[in-house]
Amino acid sequence: EAQVTQNPRYLITVTGKKLTVTCSQNMNHEYMSWYRQDPGLGLRQIYYSMNVEVTDKGDVPEGYKVSRKEKRNFPLILESPSPNQTSLYFCASSLMGASSYEQYFGPGTRLTVT
Amino acid sequence: AQRVTQPEKLLSVFKGAPVELKCNYSYSGSPELFWYVQYSRQRLQLLLRHISRESIKGFTADLNKGETSFHLKKPFAQEEDSAMYYCALRTLGFQKLVFGTGTRLLVSP
Repeated sequence: EAQVTQNPRYLITVTGKKLTVTCSQNMNHEYMSWYRQDPGLGLRQIYYSMNVEVTDKGDVPEGYKVSRKEKRNFPLILESPSPNQTSLYFCASSLMGASSYEQYFGPGTRLTVT
Repeated sequence: AQRVTQPEKLLSVFKGAPVELKCNYSYSGSPELFWYVQYSRQRLQLLLRHISRESIKGFTADLNKGETSFHLKKPFAQEEDSAMYYCALRTLGFQKLVFGTGTRLLVSP
């Protein structure tokens, strides 16, 4: 089944404790992206990647890091989480190119930083 | 800069009533517009795209470049349409999607 998976789905952590949220897709998509979803703010892009070893900042990259060492994986790293990073995080992927309109989303990771 | 505006946070209607979820955008070039839907406890998924001019689950949306709008419409709402709806814009040549803040549609029996 074609899908985007994220782990963990739920995470409660404390301020300053490094964490990684994994994202994996099995559709051979070049493009991958991380969003955070907050009430009243919709989805905001954190980072994106257009291919292996190619990453760039989105609209709200502060406090986050990413890496793209393999095509299928795009982990989101919070080196020193803070309470304002409490949010619902979505990973998404798509093909590149003019005909590749649809982004496929993962199930989401709900992160709470206390 | 690209911007997508969804003025209504919540739209509440009765079953069988017409529905219109508003979406306005600002972008100087030729945009691609989408509607994504998120049902309760499910992942975000594509509902429809303007370029396809299709009707999905009874929903349609027409791109009006003069009014820079892409409103989502359905003539007769169903309870299963209750969900969060996001309008999104993709700029030509790029993969990035810019999302609006979303509108929660609540269809009551």
